[in-house]
Amino acid sequence: DIQMTQSPSSLSASVGDRVILTCRASQSISTYLNWYQQKPGKAPKLLIYAASSLQSGVPSRFSGSGSGTDFTLTISSLQPEDFATYYCQQSYSTPPWTFGQGTKVEIK
Amino acid sequence: QVQLVESGGGVVQPGRSLRLSCAASGFTFSTYGMHWVRQAPGKGLEWVAIIWYDGSDKYYADSVKGRFTISRDNSKNTLYLQMNSLRAEDTAVYYCARVQCTGGSCYSAPFDYWGQGTLVTVSS
Repeated sequence: DIQMTQSPSSLSASVGDRVILTCRASQSISTYLNWYQQKPGKAPKLLIYAASSLQSGVPSRFSGSGSGTDFTLTISSLQPEDFATYYCQQSYSTPPWTFGQGTKVEIK
Repeated sequence: QVQLVESGGGVVQPGRSLRLSCAASGFTFSTYGMHWVRQAPGKGLEWVAIIWYDGSDKYYADSVKGRFTISRDNSKNTLYLQMNSLRAEDTAVYYCARVQCTGGSCYSAPFDYWGQGTLVTVSS
């Protein structure tokens, strides 16, 4: 199974900051990498698919990049509604579909 | 608009069974693959099972294989998860999520819509 590792596990940032989250796969997954946002008590929401494609309705301050084993999710200017936990997920070698452990973005 | 509404969660004793449902609306259910994903309290997301849009293929996580069964009724726009021999470690919020299958394959699609989840607590 492909293991997904996210870093950092948590971070504190201020409104307006540029934030970069990292996800690493245990083997190459091409660009079969998706990013989800989850707020407390809510369902996950798809942000980015295929490493860099923005899901419809998602603000353009979110962007994704990477291929192979290393990927990033960038929030160009952090907004109050962006404080949440972010998960990466691979869909290259399935089953199983595997998620990273999550990165929690907190208010500084 | 797309809606996925899970139901059937609750408190159940270890070793007992429970069936979850996920009612779909706002899209053509019979053309989408469907997953179950769970999240233990305070933990991350764990994939549980998938069923193809026509029910032709099903896959399970090793942690539930042989105990859980995924199924669907396209005439009722409903997805199911039959959970048998429940264990304490099955305690979680269970989400259904849809995927758009391409060329008959559901392997690579992102989970583009999720339900709000239903809590299953396995405890004596």
